[in-house]
Amino acid sequence: EPEVTQTPSHQVTQMGQEVILRCVPISNHLYFYWYRQILGQKVEFLVSFYNNEISEKSEIFDDQFSVERPDGSNFTLKIRSTKLEDSAMYFCASRGSPEAFFGQGTRLTVV
Amino acid sequence: GENVEQHPSTLSVQEGDSAVIKCTYSDSASNYFPWYKQELGKRPQLIIDIRSNVGEKKDQRIAVTLNKTAKHFSLHITETQPEDSAVYFCAAMETRYDKVIFGPGTSLSVIP
Repeated sequence: EPEVTQTPSHQVTQMGQEVILRCVPISNHLYFYWYRQILGQKVEFLVSFYNNEISEKSEIFDDQFSVERPDGSNFTLKIRSTKLEDSAMYFCASRGSPEAFFGQGTRLTVV
Repeated sequence: GENVEQHPSTLSVQEGDSAVIKCTYSDSASNYFPWYKQELGKRPQLIIDIRSNVGEKKDQRIAVTLNKTAKHFSLHITETQPEDSAVYFCAAMETRYDKVIFGPGTSLSVIP
């Protein structure tokens, strides 16, 4: 069964550094998402991406964040100048019509 | 934008009993309502969903109901088992706006 895959599973970074989280969505899906989940809290929408551009973004998704689909398969989330409060689990998702499926997540720890 | 509320935040039931989780949404344009189960440290997994043109949907021990007028939807789990213990998230989506908005989650514990 096809699934969304994310790398790395765990990323530790120094405060102020940049990180790139990677995702390979399900191949025939057209909509891609990034969500964030701080430990023990709800799954928060960050951004949606369709047709090679951002279609929606939340107030969390400020200039510190960017997304890219550099080739036909990868979908990346870049976080610049990481802060302690960026520590969370980041989930990528892709959507068929209309079901959305999630990757296993990248646990980002900013120290 | 869409806001999804969910109750209760925690729920404990005896094995074999039923569990009910209730959600409300704010945007009357929302037309798709998935439910996700998240086990500790794992990804949210889609367990059942319902579209706005349907009032009820059932899949074995799991059922969802939707009241569009009241903007309520619920998850019903019958004959609960210990492996049903997890956090359950309801969600809503207006397909035109292309994002799934999650409720805050319900932590379900099934006591053997």
